Amino acid sequence: QKEVEQDPGPLSVPEGAIVSLNCTYSNSAFQYFMWYRQYSRKGPELLMYTYSSGNKEDGRFTAQVDKSSKYISLFIRDSQPSDSATYLCAMSGDAGGTSYGKLTFGQGTILTVHP
Amino acid sequence: GAGVSQSPRYKVAKRGQDVALRCDPISGHVSLFWYQQALGQGPEFLTYFQNEAQLDKSGLPSDRFFAERPEGSVSTLKIQRTQQEDSAVYLCASSLREGTAYEQYFGPGTRLTVT
Repeated sequence: QKEVEQDPGPLSVPEGAIVSLNCTYSNSAFQYFMWYRQYSRKGPELLMYTYSSGNKEDGRFTAQVDKSSKYISLFIRDSQPSDSATYLCAMSGDAGGTSYGKLTFGQGTILTVHP
Repeated sequence: GAGVSQSPRYKVAKRGQDVALRCDPISGHVSLFWYQQALGQGPEFLTYFQNEAQLDKSGLPSDRFFAERPEGSVSTLKIQRTQQEDSAVYLCASSLREGTAYEQYFGPGTRLTVT
């Protein structure tokens, strides 16, 4: 079983919908939780990160981390066709240890927002 | 204000050939990571450099894979005697400080196809 599990979808929603993307993980050492967006034939682009548990909001995006359940979510409000991409969750342990900030990614969820 | 660049963008190699993939990180970035992304999967960690020191190579899949960053800037990932299972996108990421999980900037990747 992988350390980080993410439903690959694909997910197809109409423009304006609220999108919910989720990941579960098994490694309790993870402290940093990131969401990346990856367009076709491009590198991942950081959307948001959260340290430890809690919520974080940035415009139309909200990230939630529940460490007790080992579950993280990304919500996209008022989704747009330009949001169509693959969304990757990624996690890392504390920088002070031997993780060196290396990221463990989920499989990625393919999202299509149709007009 | 250039980002992370990688070359070549696409590489086709015959099985058994050696290949070299180049990464130019953002100027002044201390940390450099290499990841491998198979089709339909999330990136997987290969190796980490802090300046010219390779501090973690735990993700390199075999001794055919070798990475270097001799002057603490440009890095090269070399794959000897390529196999079909090496076909993937190879991503490079850099960050300004050491050990930061949340500020890695990714390049566009090199898509390697082994025939």
